[in-house]
Order: sequence, then C-alpha cells, then structure tokens
Amino acid sequence: DAKTTQPNSMESNEEEPVHLPCNHSTISGTDYIHWYRQLPSQGPEYVIHGLTSNVNNRMASLAIAEDRKSSTLILHRATLRDAAVYYCTVRVGNKLVFGAGTILRVKS
Amino acid sequence: DVKVTQSSRYLVKRTGEKVFLECVQDMDHENMFWYRQDPGLGLRLIYFSYDVKMKEKGDIPEGYSVSREKKERFSLILESASTNQTSMYLCASEGDRTYFFGPGTRLTVL
Repeated sequence: DAKTTQPNSMESNEEEPVHLPCNHSTISGTDYIHWYRQLPSQGPEYVIHGLTSNVNNRMASLAIAEDRKSSTLILHRATLRDAAVYYCTVRVGNKLVFGAGTILRVKS
Repeated sequence: DVKVTQSSRYLVKRTGEKVFLECVQDMDHENMFWYRQDPGLGLRLIYFSYDVKMKEKGDIPEGYSVSREKKERFSLILESASTNQTSMYLCASEGDRTYFFGPGTRLTVL
C-alpha cells in the first residue's frame, strides 16, 4: 500500500500562510491524495482531496507535484482554530491509508 | 449535515468480556469503516464494509469481528477483550470520495 511521510510538527503565526508538506513516493496513478485534520477530542474531518491538478476549496488549497510523489496543503491564513493534527492520506481503492500526521501549532 | 454517531464516547471493560461498538450514519452511504487510533501509530484500518452483510478485513483484523445487518449501522465486536485492545476506535462512512468520521469511542480494557 502507498505510504505517506509528513513532518512530526510545525508551527505557524496567526494570520500567516502555512504550507504542510507530504511525501507519497509509492503512490500509484489512480490513488487520490486526501487531507484530513483532527481537532482535540474529535474524529478526523475532511479538508481537501485531489488526483493530479491543484485544488482549492473554502478551507485550503492542495498543490500536487507533477510527478505526484509529493503534495502540499496550504492554509492561506492560519487561525487558532486551525491548530490540529493534519493527516495526508492516500486513497487506495476504497481505503484511506493514514500516516502519523503533522501536529500544527498556531501562535497568536 | 452528515452525521456519524457512535454509541459511547468512553467505555471501560474487563479482560475477556465481549464488547460491542455501534456506529450509525444517516446519509445512506454504502461504505463504512472501523479504525483504531493509537499514539505514534496513527489510524489503522480494522474492517470495512461496502454493502449490507458484506465485509472485508483491513490491516489489523485479529481479535475483532464486524456486523452490518442494516445499511446505516456497522458494529465492531471484540469477542474477548484484551488489554492490548485499549484504544480510540473511530467509525467512518464514505460518500463521494469523502470520509465522515464519528467522534470516537475511547475503550479501556482492564
């Protein structure tokens, strides 16, 4: 199964952009890249997903490298409410394969 | 809003007990999943189901079984609970390539 690698933790200042990187070098051509985040004491929530092209939604942007071996989740203006564990996952068939995630800390 | 609910937020059981964790979704999704989450290990897939009465093993099915008698309900069963099954259990349903997770059940086995 495809595996993802993310930094253990990152820190950002409030109101500044955040770029969360992810490596998925073993991804196959039909595997979607998904990002989820988990706030304390909650289940993960969907953030964004894509296959080849860059994607934008109201929460974030997803930039996918041309060779698809890496991607970056972009939060355009971090707020204190964005402090969470961010998971870069690969969808293999019907299954999401989760990595260990990145703990994002946001400083005011 | 899609809702995935789990029967308990916290559960304490004794070694050897049979444990049922229930999950219900209200969006008519066909695919449902059970994960466990442990510090340093992330989320690991236990079982999933793509239709009523259909199930498939995930990555760590040992010690668990599941039941899907109705489309909206997916149950995880620990036949004989052991201390190494102390964990956070997360249920999810999937629609349009998006997973919707429940709030989780923190199970402690003494």
